[in-house]
Parts: sequence; structure tokens; C-alpha cells
Amino acid sequence: GENVEQHPSTLSVQEGDSAVIKCTYSDSASNYFPWYKQELGKGPQLIIDIRSNVGEKKDQRIAVTLNKTAKHFSLHITETQPEDSAVYFCAASRGSSASKIIFGSGTRLSIRP
Amino acid sequence: DTAVSQTPKYLVTQMGNDKSIKCEQNLGHDTMYWYKQDSKKFLKIMFSYNNKELIINETVPNRFSPKSPDKAHLNLHINSLELGDSAVYFCASSLSGGNNEQFFGPGTRLTVL
Repeated sequence: GENVEQHPSTLSVQEGDSAVIKCTYSDSASNYFPWYKQELGKGPQLIIDIRSNVGEKKDQRIAVTLNKTAKHFSLHITETQPEDSAVYFCAASRGSSASKIIFGSGTRLSIRP
Repeated sequence: DTAVSQTPKYLVTQMGNDKSIKCEQNLGHDTMYWYKQDSKKFLKIMFSYNNKELIINETVPNRFSPKSPDKAHLNLHINSLELGDSAVYFCASSLSGGNNEQFFGPGTRLTVL
């Protein structure tokens, strides 16, 4: 069945450094790849998404890259700040009305002051 | 405030009891979801409703019965609660289609003793 693998499960970086989270997906029909951030005690919140017709998308300090051939996509956070500490989830979907979003297992990102 | 709201936020109950969690969204979305997040943070879809019709049912035990009285509400009733049902349950909503942002509620932490 569909599967999304996410690495690493935990990541600790120095404030100001960059953080990279990587995901792979199994369903070649997937064409929508969102990233969600979950802060402690809250629900996940979309931070960026990418569709299969583009290879890269950037929004301020956050960027996502997609390699459809290899079925890989990654989240890059530059100039990390304490408020970036959270659990990050990648996800993949076929994008149709009846298709579900498959989430990765999450990455707990900690920013060291 | 425009948002997805859930009640209650915490639910502690004994094994064998029946309980309900309510969800409401005022974002004008026509698709609503229930997710289960276990202690390891795995986020898995349980149900999805579009315009009050069930479109995704992820082999959830029959003890779980969602009910959507209208597009803005999706409630979850659980019969004969078991220890393994302990988790955080998230409601979410989105516009139709699997490639739209999902807005999550704050979650309901269910503890079965």
C-alpha cells in the first residue's frame, strides 16, 4: 500500500544553522506533497506544499524540493530560530477528492540556543 | 474566530464506556476528517466526509462511528472503549480535493483506563 518514509526521527541543530528533513514515497501517482508543523499541544499546521509540476518552492526561510523520478522530497529550513522547534510531518497525496493524505512518521526538530 | 474546534479537549474514561467527540468548522469547507495520533506521533486518517457523505473509511473498527449532520460538523462516537483507543484525535477540514490545505483542530486527548 501507500507509504511515506521520513528521516531523521529527531534532529537537533544550533540556532542559525540549517535543518534538512527527507521523505520518500511509494505511490507513483502521488502529485501533492504538503509539509505540516505541529507545535506542542496543538494540531498540525501547513507550512509549505509542492505539486508535482514543480521541482522546488521557497517561502522565506523554508524551501521544499521534489524529485519525482526518485520519489524523494525534502524540507530545508535556513537560519533556524527557537520557534522552529516542533514536530514536522511530510505527506503525499494523489490529489483527487477521494484520495487520502499519507503522513510520514514525523521529525522532532530541536533548536539549540 | 474562524477555525476548527473540537470538544472536549481532554477525555478520561473507563474501558467499556461509550464516548463522543464533537467537531465544528466555520471555514466554509465541504470536506472533514478524523485522524488518530498515537503516542509515537504517528498521524493516521480514520474517516473523511465530503458534503456529509463518507468517502474514506480506513478499516477502522466498527466501534467507531462518525456522524456528519451537516457540512460544518463531524462528530465521532466510540462504543465499548478499549485501552488501545487511548490517543489524540484530530478533526480537520478542507475544500474538496486531495490537494488542498487541511486545517486541523486542537485535538482531543482520550485516555482509557
